[in-house]
Amino acid sequence: DVKVTQSSRYLVKRTGEKVFLECVQDMDHENMFWYRQDPGLGLRLIYFSYDVKMKEKGDIPEGYSVSREKKERFSLILESASTNQTSMYLCATFQPGVQETQYFGPGTRLLVL
Amino acid sequence: QKEVEQNSGPLSVPEGAIASLNCTYSDRGSQSFFWYRQYSGKSPELIMSIYSNGDKEDGRFTAQLNKASQYVSLLIRDSQPSDSATYLCAVNNNYGGSQGNLIFGKGTKLSVKP
Repeated sequence: DVKVTQSSRYLVKRTGEKVFLECVQDMDHENMFWYRQDPGLGLRLIYFSYDVKMKEKGDIPEGYSVSREKKERFSLILESASTNQTSMYLCATFQPGVQETQYFGPGTRLLVL
Repeated sequence: QKEVEQNSGPLSVPEGAIASLNCTYSDRGSQSFFWYRQYSGKSPELIMSIYSNGDKEDGRFTAQLNKASQYVSLLIRDSQPSDSATYLCAVNNNYGGSQGNLIFGKGTKLSVKP
């Protein structure tokens, strides 16, 4: 079974703080994704990566950056947190050639005050 | 802009009934289609995938795909209160050589009443 873990289930931060959200997978999947999910807006893709040190912008990359130094770890960084970044953040992984769909981590609910 | 459309619901059905969830997509080149279930406060979990026209059954779940109409549906037979969740339709979005990208609908909230 694929296991995708995220560093925190709940997080409270202050406006202007730098925030790190970490995602780790144990199945050697090549592709990893960061989404945010908000009521009425569905899942929105922030960034994805298909290889170590590679990253691609998704639909809403503004205010975020990512880091993938190792294959199993994909970090989402909020450079200066703002209240409109309060959301549920979901990490997902994908491996081409296997059952070709994404597997999600448990999510991090971030509140920015 | 490629889109996946779902009725937001809520769709309310009595226990034991058939729940029918529908999804349309805009990209004719899409090849892979998925249904995820998401309980409140939890992350999405895959329940069905379908790649060919027709029906695919797995237990109480049946996925139906009609590529000509760009339509995919999920039927849940003998609905149970534990099926109450939001169901997300997702379609592959392979572009620029990037694999694994999915386009998600906003989800249909299903409520099964005892």
